Amino acid sequence: GQSLEQPSEVTAVEGAIVQINCTYQTSGFYGLSWYQQHDGGAPTFLSYNALDGLEETGRFSSFLSRSDSYGYLLLQELQMKDSASYFCAVRVSGYSTLTFGKGTMLLVSP
Amino acid sequence: EAQVTQNPRYLITVTGKKLTVTCSQNMNHEYMSWYRQDPGLGLRQIYYSMNVEVTDKGDVPEGYKVSRKEKRNFPLILESPSPNQTSLYFCASSFLTGGSVSPLHFGNGTRLTVT
Repeated sequence: GQSLEQPSEVTAVEGAIVQINCTYQTSGFYGLSWYQQHDGGAPTFLSYNALDGLEETGRFSSFLSRSDSYGYLLLQELQMKDSASYFCAVRVSGYSTLTFGKGTMLLVSP
Repeated sequence: EAQVTQNPRYLITVTGKKLTVTCSQNMNHEYMSWYRQDPGLGLRQIYYSMNVEVTDKGDVPEGYKVSRKEKRNFPLILESPSPNQTSLYFCASSFLTGGSVSPLHFGNGTRLTVT
């Protein structure tokens, strides 16, 4: 089976930087994705890493180390609107489905 | 507008009364999937489909049925709902690319309560 571990909750203040980690144990690995979900709404895609290294998209960056079965989502210049749940998800093959972690709730305070 | 549409958004029903949650996408996606979300458990996959007439079980398929008669529609059927199926349900779709990322597009969710 597939297993993804991420912290259940992270807190930070506006303007700060926060890192949300994700470790995975899967039977195969094709890529690590991150999704954001506000308060029970539709999850939305943030980023994808198939190869080792850092991918940057504006204030958000995502990192992957395949040898360590580890990735993280880095959020910079935090804003109140970044308060949400963040899910990492693994695809184990090119045509397989996504398996999601349990999610990390990020609380940003003033 | 490209979207995944689920209906209804909210549903309260009683144990044993058959119900269907509809899902439709207008992006010509091959892949469609149903997830349920429960507090502390994240998104768990119920069923998925990679093409018309091709469906497969996810991690928690018990008590659910699906069908994929048309590419755009993927209804979720609860033949005899039970209280443990009270949950928030999401339908999602994407292209099947094989070699590169194809983000999942989610519907707005259906909050189901079974009493």
